Formats: sequence, structure tokens, C-alpha cells
Amino acid sequence: DTAVSQTPKYLVTQMGNDKSIKCEQNLGHDTMYWYKQDSKKFLKIMFSYNNKELIINETVPNRFSPKSPDKAHLNLHINSLELGDSAVYFCASSQPGRGTQETQYFGPGTRLLVL
Amino acid sequence: QKEVEQDPGPLSVPEGAIVSLNCTYSNSAFQYFMWYRQYSRKGPELLMYTYSSGNKEDGRFTAQVDKSSKYISLFIRDSQPSDSATYLCAGTVSGSRLTFGEGTQLTVNP
Repeated sequence: DTAVSQTPKYLVTQMGNDKSIKCEQNLGHDTMYWYKQDSKKFLKIMFSYNNKELIINETVPNRFSPKSPDKAHLNLHINSLELGDSAVYFCASSQPGRGTQETQYFGPGTRLLVL
Repeated sequence: QKEVEQDPGPLSVPEGAIVSLNCTYSNSAFQYFMWYRQYSRKGPELLMYTYSSGNKEDGRFTAQVDKSSKYISLFIRDSQPSDSATYLCAGTVSGSRLTFGEGTQLTVNP
């Protein structure tokens, strides 16, 4: 059973194109995230949604637009792709708790290469 | 300056060695500290977390946090080739916004 799934796993595209990455979680979690991991393995949060509402929006170019149609899905659309967008994009989900650490569960990643 | 600093390695040890992985952080408001393990071409998975200062042990793994020196450590005893992965430390104030270190790539040689 895949807890957090992402499609596609690999994405190779030309500069200037628009692309989308989809994420789904079957854990019943309320919160979902998008992270970007660069070639040096540095993992940085981009966005977070809680129950379809945007709660974290880091300094990310507005070419990146997340959309959450329901709390089990969080998609990432990227306009006018640039070379620097090449990275691995991870989706994650968690269930907020009271007074306890919420574990974030990560998907397998989408490897984006912009040529 | 990054909020969480971690030596990226790579670190190579023989099987059975004790491994020490370390991070420092600058945000005094961090309350929770995590270690994630990431195998090649996979997503990170939570290995351990600690709240505030102290130690936590789970099998061969021990996590330590010293808030006075803003130092986070992960020790792996009797390391195995299956422990070869990238280890990411992270800190957070509340739980949702994780700030990760750069990750340390570990190889355990049989």
C-alpha cells in the first residue's frame, strides 16, 4: 500500500514549458507539503496545505502554484520552466497532533530535469 | 547562515563501526529535532525524533540533543551495510515547518 504517491516519477522537459506534478496520500492526513531537493541533497519546504488551505508559502517564484482539490491531493503546477528548476520534488503529508511531534511521510519524489 | 548546518560528508566506515552524525542549529525556538534517513532514489523516512534536550534510544540508534550548545547528534552502533544512506537532521518549532540540514551521505562497507 503506497501511503504517499507522486506522478510522474521522472519528468524531462524543455525550458519554457509548463508542467504539473500530482500527489496523493491515503493516510487520512490533514496536512500536505511540497519540498524541493537540490543536487546537494538540501531539502527545502516550498508549500504546505492544511485541509485544502495554504498555510506555508516560502519564498518561491510565483511560477510555482500549488493546488489542493481535496485534503488527499496536492498538485504542483510550474509555469515557464527554467534550468534552475531541475531538482527532485517531494510531496509529504502529516497529521497535526496536540503536544506531540507530527511525523511527515514523504513520497518517492519526482525527478524533474529541465533542458 | 543556514538555520541547520550539517557536514555533507561523504562518510565511509567499515561494518560494525560506531557512526556519529552531527548537526548544529541557530534557531533557539526549535523544540523538536528529527533524523530522517534517505536511501538512494527514495523519499526521506523518519528515523527518530526528540523533544527538547536529552537522549533517545531505539535499537542501534541513539539521538542526542543539547539545546545549550545547539547541537544534534545521531549515533549508530554496530553499523550495517544496510545503514548506507543519506541522513538528514531537522529542527522545528511546532512540527509542521521542518528546517533540514544538508544531509550526510554514509557508506558502511562490508
